[in-house]
Amino acid sequence: AQSVTQLDSQVPVFEEAPVELRCNYSSSVSVYLFWYVQYPNQGLQLLLKYLSGSTLVKGINGFEAEFNKSQTSFHLRKPSVHISDTAEYFCAVNPDPYSSASKIIFGSGTRLSIRP
Amino acid sequence: KAGVTQTPRYLIKTRGQQVTLSCSPISGHRSVSWYQQTPGQGLQFLFEYFSETQRNKGNFPGRFSGRQFSNSRSEMNVSTLELGDSALYLCASRLNTGELFFGEGSRLTVL
Repeated sequence: AQSVTQLDSQVPVFEEAPVELRCNYSSSVSVYLFWYVQYPNQGLQLLLKYLSGSTLVKGINGFEAEFNKSQTSFHLRKPSVHISDTAEYFCAVNPDPYSSASKIIFGSGTRLSIRP
Repeated sequence: KAGVTQTPRYLIKTRGQQVTLSCSPISGHRSVSWYQQTPGQGLQFLFEYFSETQRNKGNFPGRFSGRQFSNSRSEMNVSTLELGDSALYLCASRLNTGELFFGEGSRLTVL
């Protein structure tokens, strides 16, 4: 069965420091990949997505992610974080892009806390 | 375009009662998915509806049910509520790529 692993459940970072949130998925075939962010007491919103093309994907709020097919990873990065980036981040995969009915698999989430 | 709308945002019920939550997807979106989010279990998939038919289902007991109407609005129902059903219930409409658009959620507290 398909799975998504977010290796860190919590990541504390100082403000203006860089951050990387790690995500690995189990499939070695074509997939679509997503990162979502959830601020307190809100739903999830899309940060960025990889469907095809360039392996470096840029998203909102200065985040970017790199698709690495050989390592089946899709790590999220930001060069300088801000207090407002404090949130929970979810990696998700569509394991069968050729089916509009495929089940989307979510990772368990990484809680990013920014220290002043 | 208006986003995904979920009602009610907050509700409190007691054990044994039942609850119905509503979700209106983005206009034109025909797929609606439901998720349960708890601190202990994270984000868990409940079910997905497309054109009034259940297309995918998670591993939840039969107390959890849903339906979708011809205008794509969806409802989910939980009967015989248990303390463990306390959670944030999220609804999302979906594109064919799998990209999901989430509502703000309905926070259910069971006492």
